[in-house]
Amino acid sequence: EAGVTQFPSHSVIEKGQTVTLRCDPISGHDNLYWYRRVMGKEIKFLLHFVKESKQDESGMPNNRFLAERTGGTYSTLKVQPAELEDSGVYFCASSPREAIPYEQYFGPGTRLTVT
Amino acid sequence: SQQGEEDPQALSIQEGENATMNCSYKTSINNLQWYRQNSGRGLVHLILIRSNEREKHSGRLRVTLDTSKKSSSLLITASRAADTASYFCATVSYNTDKLIFGTGTRLQVFP
Repeated sequence: EAGVTQFPSHSVIEKGQTVTLRCDPISGHDNLYWYRRVMGKEIKFLLHFVKESKQDESGMPNNRFLAERTGGTYSTLKVQPAELEDSGVYFCASSPREAIPYEQYFGPGTRLTVT
Repeated sequence: SQQGEEDPQALSIQEGENATMNCSYKTSINNLQWYRQNSGRGLVHLILIRSNEREKHSGRLRVTLDTSKKSSSLLITASRAADTASYFCATVSYNTDKLIFGTGTRLQVFP
């Protein structure tokens, strides 16, 4: 079974540019989560999809961040325009819905560097 | 905000020794989970302990939970060089699915 995949693995962009991160969850997992770890700080929750619906987006830092999950499969996280403080590692995770509580399966992350 | 803290921040031991990491949190929880992250890789789930459990074992891992003190510990017995990684605790509250992570402990196991 393929795990959670994320693309790209690393992105370097200039301040003011736009970047789109992609996450492909494990097939059949309804839940999809985005987290990020900015430099030197803890991993923080950004948002949670159940299928294509946003269940919880309380962690989204501001309106420069836009997450979508059209069709309830893969998800994208767009940052527009990127700022220096957006640099960090963005993780995606997925989980099934059958049993609660359940573990989340994480992807390898996308390292975003804003210069 | 509900943010966990872990101690120590870094731990260096020799192979064969035991490693103990502690985690504290601030609010009521449904369950607490431990994850491992190897350098440049994603987080790997290690073990989950529910709020009504006090201790759980999985292989060389032993997790304890004290909800009265809002704390948990992860013990890795007979450590190996391959255990070198960062370890994070994460809590899940009731009525939510999101993980609230601790600050992490960097474990270095020397062969």
